[in-house]
Amino acid sequence: AQTVTQSQPEMSVQEAETVTLSCTYDTSESDYYLFWYKQPPSRQMILVIRQEAYKQQNATENRFSVNFQKAAKSFSLKISDSQLGDAAMYFCAYRKNRDSGGGADGLTFGKGTHLIIQP
Amino acid sequence: DTAVSQTPKYLVTQMGNDKSIKCEQNLGHDTMYWYKQDSKKFLKIMFSYNNKELIINETVPNRFSPKSPDKAHLNLHINSLELGDSAVYFCASSQAGGNNEQFFGPGTRLTVL
Repeated sequence: AQTVTQSQPEMSVQEAETVTLSCTYDTSESDYYLFWYKQPPSRQMILVIRQEAYKQQNATENRFSVNFQKAAKSFSLKISDSQLGDAAMYFCAYRKNRDSGGGADGLTFGKGTHLIIQP
Repeated sequence: DTAVSQTPKYLVTQMGNDKSIKCEQNLGHDTMYWYKQDSKKFLKIMFSYNNKELIINETVPNRFSPKSPDKAHLNLHINSLELGDSAVYFCASSQAGGNNEQFFGPGTRLTVL
């Protein structure tokens, strides 16, 4: 079974600085997706960024980017120019590609990293 | 328009009661899910369901059962509620193909007294 590990329960960063959140995963599959979700105090789950395992190029969404190292099974999230609104729980998640037999599989989540933004 | 909605948002009940949480998605997705988020914020899949298969996480007690009247709805029924069932329950949906993204509802905070 696949597992997702986030080794940083909490991180703190100064506003406007850059922070990197770590995530490692374990799977025997070759075709899968990785995600970072944000959960602010409102508890709504918001997709931040996704990465297809077959793509070597790291995904980028505005101030958010990932460092995907498939061989090392590592998927870190970098947040540049941190803003107060970035304060939230961040969850790394894995899912086998639905089109490669993933079917109705759900997401496997890490335990989350609580990100604090210092003004 | 709300993509994935859940009712109620808050539910407080006594031990031993039976309760339901409703979920509806208007995205035309073919698969729906229920997740449980415990007091430590850990999210775990409970059920995945589409018209072809129901996948049940083996750790979920059989007091929990999903019921789908149609493709747009997946309700969660819980019998004989226990204190340990207190959590936030999230419904989500996704579509076959494409980027595998799951869209989440706002969550239902269940408190069992």
